[in-house]
Amino acid sequence: QVTLKESGPVLVKPTETLTLTCTVSGFSLSAHAMGVSWIRQPPGKALEWLAHIFSDDEKPSSPSLKSRLTISKDTSKNQVVLTMTNMDPADTATYFCARSLNYGEDFDFWGQGTQVTVSS
Amino acid sequence: QSALTQPASVSGSPGQSITISCTGTSNDIGIYRLFSWYQQHPGKAPKLLISVAGKRPSGVSNRFSGSQSGNTASLTISGLQAEDEANYYCCAYAGNDTPWLFGGGTQLTVL
Repeated sequence: QVTLKESGPVLVKPTETLTLTCTVSGFSLSAHAMGVSWIRQPPGKALEWLAHIFSDDEKPSSPSLKSRLTISKDTSKNQVVLTMTNMDPADTATYFCARSLNYGEDFDFWGQGTQVTVSS
Repeated sequence: QSALTQPASVSGSPGQSITISCTGTSNDIGIYRLFSWYQQHPGKAPKLLISVAGKRPSGVSNRFSGSQSGNTASLTISGLQAEDEANYYCCAYAGNDTPWLFGGGTQLTVL
């Protein structure tokens, strides 16, 4: 059974760095072409793809946020970690992690999401 | 890369069919033809409805189908049911610099 679960702070202050963890089970982060993305959704707004990490450690990220994002994985812990620097109230959103099997492939399994509020 | 364009809202009566469009460009849907559709109920995670291969995952009703013409992908829901009331998102591949591009979402109301 494939599952993904996000964890991280509920509240961060402006200018701080956000660190989110996605813990996966039911599949291996080192399997061929396997990958996990981070996707966010501001309240009442659309989904926005942020970054992805493949089993071969390729790490594409959103061109508009690339300078603020870092994605990494710990295969032994079955975890994918996203850091986003210089947080702003506009980054308030629910952050999801989701599995995809290659560039452009669909997201077949999603985590439940974790809500992050940026406020002083 | 701009988001894909979807109508903000559509509506239909139970039993009817509706189609949600997702308009991209010749740099994404038009050239790569890789797109998928997701359903999201309020407060829930998105759920894959139509894969990039045009298939429905196990458990997804055959009332949902996807198609494409030129730069536009479409999701058709036939035999509308109350539980179909949700938000729907398309997602397309736009090259390795932007492997995933989402649409703005469409809110479906079942009258």
